[in-house]
Amino acid sequence: DTEVTQTPKHLVMGMTNKKSLKCEQHMGHRAMYWYKQKAKKPPELMFVYSYEKLSINESVPSRFSPECPNSSLLNLHLHALQPEDSALYLCASSQGGTGGYNSPLHFGNGTRLTVT
Amino acid sequence: QKEVEQNSGPLSVPEGAIASLNCTYSDRGSQSFFWYRQYSGKSPELIMSIYSNGDKEDGRFTAQLNKASQYVSLLIRDSQPSDSATYLCAVNALGAGNMLTFGGGTRLMVKP
Repeated sequence: DTEVTQTPKHLVMGMTNKKSLKCEQHMGHRAMYWYKQKAKKPPELMFVYSYEKLSINESVPSRFSPECPNSSLLNLHLHALQPEDSALYLCASSQGGTGGYNSPLHFGNGTRLTVT
Repeated sequence: QKEVEQNSGPLSVPEGAIASLNCTYSDRGSQSFFWYRQYSGKSPELIMSIYSNGDKEDGRFTAQLNKASQYVSLLIRDSQPSDSATYLCAVNALGAGNMLTFGGGTRLMVKP
């Protein structure tokens, strides 16, 4: 069992839909991340929040909009996605902020997103 | 550009054998090294962390780090079919915060 909880586990959405992915952790971690993973590829970093502030945006298209309501929650709002955005979306957290380099990432179980 | 390289495999070993997974990295400033196991369709699971040169053992797993050679490896003793998965090497550089650079992963197949 993972201590990072993601909902929903599966999501199918049309290109005109608006949906949100949710992530929650109660480990007291101060950094939270969104990754995208395509089949047979490593996770690809999208966003990093450190102490509830967006610290890294890896040139992600604006149809993906992250939100960090508090230190335990992380959302990813989706709008006008394309079929090529279909992937496994992973949330992760780590103990330190962006200044801490020794903290491993702890991943949630992911949301399998299909865009039709 | 910081790179982490792994042989994509598949690496096939018989049950009970030692599986040896290798990873090289390009950034000499790298400080933290992690191995993740990922089953098909599942999320990555942290199995080992190593920060200093030498060996670190945890059960059937041993991580080996050689910073001079920019090389980190994972040994799995007494391999089991349940170890069949993709193993991701991840590296973090000092000053990079908690940004990990992932290798492409090595697919391990343990045959009964």
